[in-house]
Amino acid sequence: DADVTQTPRNRITKTGKRIMLECSQTKGHDRMYWYRQDPGLGLRLIYYSFDVKDINKGEISDGYSVSRQAQAKFSLSLESAIPNQTALYFCATSDDRDRKQYFGPGTRLTVT
Amino acid sequence: AQTVTQSQPEMSVQEAETVTLSCTYDTSESDYYLFWYKQPPSRQMILVIRQEAYKQQNATENRFSVNFQKAAKSFSLKISDSQLGDAAMYFCAYYTSGTYKYIFGTGTRLKVLA
Repeated sequence: DADVTQTPRNRITKTGKRIMLECSQTKGHDRMYWYRQDPGLGLRLIYYSFDVKDINKGEISDGYSVSRQAQAKFSLSLESAIPNQTALYFCATSDDRDRKQYFGPGTRLTVT
Repeated sequence: AQTVTQSQPEMSVQEAETVTLSCTYDTSESDYYLFWYKQPPSRQMILVIRQEAYKQQNATENRFSVNFQKAAKSFSLKISDSQLGDAAMYFCAYYTSGTYKYIFGTGTRLKVLA
């Protein structure tokens, strides 16, 4: 089984709808991250969390919120989706010892 | 602010040949890590290689090696004996304990020609 999983893998939604992207990990890592990927822009950090009580905004947090329900679960919500939030979203964990990041398979989100 | 720059949006290499992807970064930190990630069409992000800034020796993983020039803030990836499966988007990334965040470049798309 994959160490970092994301659901759904693909989603099409309409403008104004609330949507939640879920991430679970079995790596046992405390640190988790949400990124969005857009063509030509690389990966940009939305939110990151060091434990269930420590959540921080990244460079592009406007329009997004997160919830760290447990060490293993980190969810990203779009309260009212808009078309420019159409992107590929990645969840990742990181290992405190060697700083390596481990990514989920990504969620392709389309907002129409 | 830390930045990572990949100046080559796209590159091509003939199968079995060698190619070098460029990455430069800007930082005032002395303790940091650098990474190269590969993203094939499956879109999965795969760690290729990792370099610790305090180590002078360049990291190597099989056909992949880096040229780490700390003073020049340069971190290039060399792929030897290129294979069709190397075709992917490659991202350079930087991490520092000063911010606990990873910063990614905009990526280089590598095409491998048969």
